Amino acid sequence: GQQVQQSPASLVLQEGENAELQCNFSTSLNSMQWFYQRPGGSLVSLFYNPSGTKHSGRLTSTTVIKERRSSLHISSSQTTDSGTYLCAWSNYNVLYFGSGTKLTVEP
Amino acid sequence: NSKVIQTPRYLVKGQGQKAKMRCIPEKGHPVVFWYQQNKNNEFKFLINFQNQEVLQQIDMTEKRFSAECPSNSPCSLEIQSSEAGDSALYLCASSLWTGGSQNTLYFGAGTRLSVL
Repeated sequence: GQQVQQSPASLVLQEGENAELQCNFSTSLNSMQWFYQRPGGSLVSLFYNPSGTKHSGRLTSTTVIKERRSSLHISSSQTTDSGTYLCAWSNYNVLYFGSGTKLTVEP
Repeated sequence: NSKVIQTPRYLVKGQGQKAKMRCIPEKGHPVVFWYQQNKNNEFKFLINFQNQEVLQQIDMTEKRFSAECPSNSPCSLEIQSSEAGDSALYLCASSLWTGGSQNTLYFGAGTRLSVL
């Protein structure tokens, strides 16, 4: 079954609004990563965050391993943030991806 | 920014034809992965290498795909006989991971395969 679940599946924001994306996993995995996928397909690593909270500009990732969840917070969204956000958990050397949250930020 | 280079960006093949795609990992990364992303955004791990050796692969890859990562040459993934269900985005990634906890993957832009 699906080991990694993301919510919401899609999200539409007005520019300037904040977004909270969720990622839950069903089995014990030992690390996680958030990616941004551009409409053209390439994946960009946002965070490698196996536990705790990390910040990068307007992005904040918080992972709570014992609760098997991670979140990605985007503050003051911009139209250039539009795309798909994927979380991926890894068991040693294989990543298991969620199906992503498609974010659309409208001007 | 990732420096993983994948070619070609787009590949169109007929059913039964071979489909080959290439990947140059980031310099100094010993571990290379191939993933398949279908139209529903679902990722499927296909195979990974450490240097030239296969670490893990799924059953489908073992039976229908041919993959290698020769030294001083691009890595490659080849579908021996393309099927319609193989139409997907094929993503290559590389990593420094050799067993420790750090496992940040850097992805290429992908090869989008369409099997007609």
